[in-house]
Amino acid sequence: ETGVTQSPTHLIKTRGQQVTLRCSSQSGHNTVSWYQQALGQGPQFIFQYYREEENGRGNFPPRFSGLQFPNYSSELNVNALELDDSALYLCASSSLAVQETQYFGPGTRLLVL
Amino acid sequence: GNSVTQMEGPVTLSEEAFLTINCTYTATGYPSLFWYVQYPGEGLQLLLKATKADDKGSNKGFEATYRKETTSFHLEKGSVQVSDSAVYFCALSDPNTGNQFYFGTGTSLTVIP
Repeated sequence: ETGVTQSPTHLIKTRGQQVTLRCSSQSGHNTVSWYQQALGQGPQFIFQYYREEENGRGNFPPRFSGLQFPNYSSELNVNALELDDSALYLCASSSLAVQETQYFGPGTRLLVL
Repeated sequence: GNSVTQMEGPVTLSEEAFLTINCTYTATGYPSLFWYVQYPGEGLQLLLKATKADDKGSNKGFEATYRKETTSFHLEKGSVQVSDSAVYFCALSDPNTGNQFYFGTGTSLTVIP
C-alpha cells in the first residue's frame, strides 16, 4: 500500500505569481483534502474533493482552487500569490470505508517573497 | 461551530516522566477525535483515534479517551522517551461537514535525557 505523496517538497515564488501543488493519494482512497499550515499553527482546511467534485470548502478566497483526477491524484492552484500564503500545504486522503480518518502527505513548503 | 482547544506549549519533560496534553472540543454533531504527531520537517502522522464516546484510542504507549460529558480527549503517556519529542495536534472530524478536520494549534513536546 503506497502512502500519500506530494510534490514539490519546497517552492519559492514571488508575490503575484501563480503556483500548482500536486498530491498523489493513497491507493484506494477517493477523497482528498487540502490544508494550509502556517508556521506554529495547526492545519486549516482549504477544501475537499470527492469523485472529482469539490465537496466542501473552508474560509479561503476563490484564488485557491483545486482539481481531482480520475486516478485520485489532485492539484492545488493558488493565483495572485500573497506574502501570507507562505505556509506548509498538506494534502490528506481517505477511503470510502473509513471516511473519518485521513492520511497526510509530507507537505509542500511554499515561500512567497 | 466546531473547534478544538489544546494545551499551550511548549512542554519540556525529563525522560520517563508522565505526559498529559489536554484537549477539549466543541462540535455540533458526533465527531471522531484524533491525535496527530508532527516531527520536525515532516507532515502529520496519525497517532490514535476514537470514533465514539467512551472509546479509548491507543498506540505506541500513548492513549486518550473520548469523554463526551467533559468534551475532552486528553493525550497521556506513562513514560516518555527522547524520541517522543515532536508537535502533537488534537483534531476532530465532523461527519456533518464531509468529515472536514478541525485542528488545535499544536503542543510542542521536548523530552530531555
